[in-house]
Amino acid sequence: DAGVTQSPTHLIKTRGQQVTLRCSPKSGHDTVSWYQQALGQGPQFIFQYYEEEERQRGNFPDRFSGHQFPNYSSELNVNALLLGDSALYLCASSLGYRLAGDNEQFFGPGTRLTVL
Amino acid sequence: AQKITQTQPGMFVQEKEAVTLDCTYDTSDQSYGLFWYKQPSSGEMIFLIYQGSYDEQNATEGRYSLNFQKARKSANLVISASQLGDSAMYFCAMREGGSFQKLVFGTGTRLLVSP
Repeated sequence: DAGVTQSPTHLIKTRGQQVTLRCSPKSGHDTVSWYQQALGQGPQFIFQYYEEEERQRGNFPDRFSGHQFPNYSSELNVNALLLGDSALYLCASSLGYRLAGDNEQFFGPGTRLTVL
Repeated sequence: AQKITQTQPGMFVQEKEAVTLDCTYDTSDQSYGLFWYKQPSSGEMIFLIYQGSYDEQNATEGRYSLNFQKARKSANLVISASQLGDSAMYFCAMREGGSFQKLVFGTGTRLLVSP
């Protein structure tokens, strides 16, 4: 049973460029959340997708956008990259949007983005 | 306002000993959930244990237990019989939101287990 997968593993971009990160949720999961983890910090919630719609969003600018496909996979797009966007981007999936001990979020290994 | 506070940037423990990682939280909700995740150097967040606000008993999962003190708003993780493989970052998180829920994380504690 495959867990959450993310691609690419690492990415190097320059300021002003655009980037797309991809995530496939754990088998059977239908909800995908994205988090940004800066070095030395805890993950910060970016947004969440359920039924192909953005259901809630954290305190991130419009440069961050996403999409969920009918197969529940998801993409995170970041436009006009800034140096401060350098971080580990984590994708998490769950079954539905209510979290508990028997329905926790499963995280992928992340994509390490470096902006030069 | 910070909702999850982890005051220990780093902790050291010898193999086979127990260690407690501190977590305090702030919420005005009556219904909430607290999670602990482990993050090895590979980056993946691994779920360890969950405590619901209405759970009367402290949660336990193998060598992990959660010392839940509701009045003090603390949810400390206790790892018994530490192993070398326990060396990692540990994050406390709280469920937030009504219909659609997300996790709010603390800044983490780095645990190093020595032989």
